[in-house]
Amino acid sequence: QKEVEQDPGPLSVPEGAIVSLNCTYSNSAFQYFMWYRQYSRKGPELLMYTYSSGNKEDGRFTAQVDKSSKYISLFIRDSQPSDSATYLCAMRIQTGANNLFFGTGTRLTVIP
Amino acid sequence: NAGVTQTPKFRILKIGQSMTLQCTQDMNHNYMYWYRQDPGMGLKLIYYSVGAGITDKGEVPNGYNVSRSTTEDFPLRLELAAPSQTSVYFCASSWGTGRSYGYTFGSGTRLTVV
Repeated sequence: QKEVEQDPGPLSVPEGAIVSLNCTYSNSAFQYFMWYRQYSRKGPELLMYTYSSGNKEDGRFTAQVDKSSKYISLFIRDSQPSDSATYLCAMRIQTGANNLFFGTGTRLTVIP
Repeated sequence: NAGVTQTPKFRILKIGQSMTLQCTQDMNHNYMYWYRQDPGMGLKLIYYSVGAGITDKGEVPNGYNVSRSTTEDFPLRLELAAPSQTSVYFCASSWGTGRSYGYTFGSGTRLTVV
């Protein structure tokens, strides 16, 4: 079983739709949760960072963590064509340079 | 304000050849990392460094070597290239590994071994 599971998609939505991206994980010790966005032929860039359970909002983006279900989500409101990218979740147990685990990424296309 | 710069962007190697992937960051970050990204497999950590002169293995270090002689540079060496090393390689850096420290990634090197 992988540490982090993420549906690879692809996911296509019309412009203006609400997008829900999700990851599940198996290790209950994960405490720090991140979402990265990766445009085609580019490196990932940090989008959202959440500690433990709860919600965090930043503009059109909301990150949600449910530790009881070992489930994290990223919601994108009023999706735009510029949101078309691959979204990777990532998580770690504690500080340390070698224990950041990435999901495989979900490819999203927002159709104008 | 370059961030993390990787060279080359693309490379084709023959089996058994060697090469060095270059990575430079101008943010004075202590931590640097090398990842490989394969389709459907996510990012896998190859090597990392917590400062000049200090390196350690990640999840998939076999077939690779690194050095960190300066804060800015973290080259990745491939010896005796194999088809299994065909991948996209990303270098990243961060201030540390505290909960608020995100990684800054380079644009990647696409390597094909034939």
